[in-house]
Amino acid sequence: QVQLQESGPGLVKPSETLSLTCTVSGGSVTIGSYYWSWIRQTPGKGLEWIGYIFHSGSTNINPSLKSRVTMSVDTSKNQFSLNLSSVTAADTAVYYCARVVAGWPKWFDPWGQGTLVTVSS
Amino acid sequence: DIQMTQSPSSLSASVRDRITISCRASQSVRTFLNWYQQKPGKAPKLLIYAASSLQSGVPSRFSGSGSGTDFTLTINSLQPEDFATYYCQQTDISPWTFGQGTKVEIK
Repeated sequence: QVQLQESGPGLVKPSETLSLTCTVSGGSVTIGSYYWSWIRQTPGKGLEWIGYIFHSGSTNINPSLKSRVTMSVDTSKNQFSLNLSSVTAADTAVYYCARVVAGWPKWFDPWGQGTLVTVSS
Repeated sequence: DIQMTQSPSSLSASVRDRITISCRASQSVRTFLNWYQQKPGKAPKLLIYAASSLQSGVPSRFSGSGSGTDFTLTINSLQPEDFATYYCQQTDISPWTFGQGTKVEIK
C-alpha cells in the first residue's frame, strides 16, 4: 500500500524559505490518477490546503499562499517537494503531504504522518 | 473561498451512543464532501468521500449523508476508538477547504 513520509528541517528562521520533501513508497508519483498535495495544520487556523502538483509538474496552489509557494516533483526519486518563502511565525505548523484522487470526486488518502515546522530565530 | 462550518465544535458522548456531526458549506459543493478522523499526534484519516461513500476498511457504523450545503456524519454505537476530532472538507471548488473540526469526547 502507498505510504508517504515528510522530511525537512524542523526549525526555520523568519524571512527564510521552508523546504519539505515527501517521499512516496509502495506506488509511483507518475501514476496519472493522482495529484500530490500539501496541507498544514495550526491550532489557530486548523487545516489549510496549500496546493497540489501533478507528475507533469502542473500545479494548483491556494491563492492565499500562491505568491510564496513553489512545488516540484522528482520522478526519479519518487518524491515531491514544497518550498514556502519569506516565512513568518504564522507559518509555524504541522505540514502534511497526501495523495489526492485526480478524478471526480476528489479525496485525500493516504496522508503522511506530518512534520512540525517552527519558524523562529 | 467556501467556508465550512461544523457543529457542534465539541460533544461528550458515551460508548454505544449514536452521534451526529453537521457540516454546512457557505455555498453548494454538490456532493464533493469528505469526512476525516484525527487522533492526537496523528494525521487525518479518510472516513467518508463524496458525502456518503464509505472508505475501504472503515467500520460500517460510520455513515455520511447530504448534498448541496448541508451534510451529516453519523456514528452508530460509538466505540472507544472513535473518540477523536472529525473534519469535513469540500473538494468541489478550489481552494479546497476544511471545517474547523468537531471533538468527540468521552462523557
